[in-house]
Amino acid sequence: AQSVTQLDSQVPVFEEAPVELRCNYSSSVSVYLFWYVQYPNQGLQLLLKYLSGSTLVKGINGFEAEFNKSQTSFHLRKPSVHISDTAEYFCAVTNTGNQFYFGTGTSLTVIP
Amino acid sequence: KAGVTQTPRYLIKTRGQQVTLSCSPISGHRSVSWYQQTPGQGLQFLFEYFSETQRNKGNFPGRFSGRQFSNSRSEMNVSTLELGDSALYLCASSLEPAGGIYEQYFGPGTRLTVT
Repeated sequence: AQSVTQLDSQVPVFEEAPVELRCNYSSSVSVYLFWYVQYPNQGLQLLLKYLSGSTLVKGINGFEAEFNKSQTSFHLRKPSVHISDTAEYFCAVTNTGNQFYFGTGTSLTVIP
Repeated sequence: KAGVTQTPRYLIKTRGQQVTLSCSPISGHRSVSWYQQTPGQGLQFLFEYFSETQRNKGNFPGRFSGRQFSNSRSEMNVSTLELGDSALYLCASSLEPAGGIYEQYFGPGTRLTVT
């Protein structure tokens, strides 16, 4: 079985500052990793995914993440955040494609 | 293509009642998963259906059940509602991952409040 840990439940950051949202996973098999964003009163939207190949993955809205197999991490980063990035962010893992395990989420608040 | 749709969007029920939620996946998607989202718990996997068969099931009591129809539409049912069942229920659909891994596309959710 897999599990996902998002250590930071809340992350406040000033506008135009960089941000990193941390995600660690545990699995005894190869995994595929995802980051989703959820805006208020909406479902989840895919930001980026790691399936194979380059460990640095670029996604939408200027976000990127790096897969680190030795540290079992998949941290999400953005060099300069905007007010519109305020949302809940979820990290997810799967090894089969038909059962996903999600973290408890990180609430990102961008302060003007 | 139209996205994943869920009905109703909001629902208020009383303890002990039962409820049925509906999900229509993206056209061509054959896998439908259901999640319960509560503050502090994140998304917890309920079950996943493919071609009318439940392929995976999470760790929820038997009061939670689901089904999938031949057109891939899915319903989930919760019987004998408890206050703790109040949550946002999310449905997600994906292509059958034959030879690949596909992301899940989420609907807007059904907000269930149990009083």
